[in-house]
Amino acid sequence: AQTVTQSQPEMSVQEAETVTLSCTYDTSESDYYLFWYKQPPSRQMILVIRQEAYKQQNATENRFSVNFQKAAKSFSLKISDSQLGDAAMYFCLKLDSNYQLIWGAGTKLIIKP
Amino acid sequence: DVKVTQSSRYLVKRTGEKVFLECVQDMDHENMFWYRQDPGLGLRLIYFSYDVKMKEKGDIPEGYSVSREKKERFSLILESASTNQTSMYLCASSPHRDRGHEQYFGPGTRLTVT
Repeated sequence: AQTVTQSQPEMSVQEAETVTLSCTYDTSESDYYLFWYKQPPSRQMILVIRQEAYKQQNATENRFSVNFQKAAKSFSLKISDSQLGDAAMYFCLKLDSNYQLIWGAGTKLIIKP
Repeated sequence: DVKVTQSSRYLVKRTGEKVFLECVQDMDHENMFWYRQDPGLGLRLIYFSYDVKMKEKGDIPEGYSVSREKKERFSLILESASTNQTSMYLCASSPHRDRGHEQYFGPGTRLTVT
């Protein structure tokens, strides 16, 4: 079975610093999508950023960017200038050509004031 | 704004009861999903539907069924609840069959089966 691995169950970062959350996956396909979702405490899951595998350019959304290494099957999320509101569970998701959805186990991000 | 609502935030049921979890979205989305979320396991797909009356099994469909009679509503049914179905249940919707679209999530239903 295909897997998505988030090797860091918990990460902490000082406010205003930069943090990187890791995600690795396995696949035999060349065409798939990768996503990072954020789930704040007691609030709804929301999309942070997405990456299409055929695009070489790394996606960015304001303070959030990804480092997509297709050959290494790695999709890390970098959060710059961390803010208290960034505290949440972060989930990595792979969506393949058969519409198979594979989620990582999540990383809890703690922001230290 | 897209809104996905779920009928209950918290639910307590007894073993053997039939349980209905309702999900409604107001943005005319084709796709709807039911997940369960357990600590350390992430989200696991139970069922999804890409059209009215259409459904496809996800990774863990055993013990669950679904119903989609109207485009905006997707129901998850536990025919005979068991304690191992105690979990957080999340509903989501997305606009098209095409991949790559954002999923919009409801607030979740925390189900406890005693």
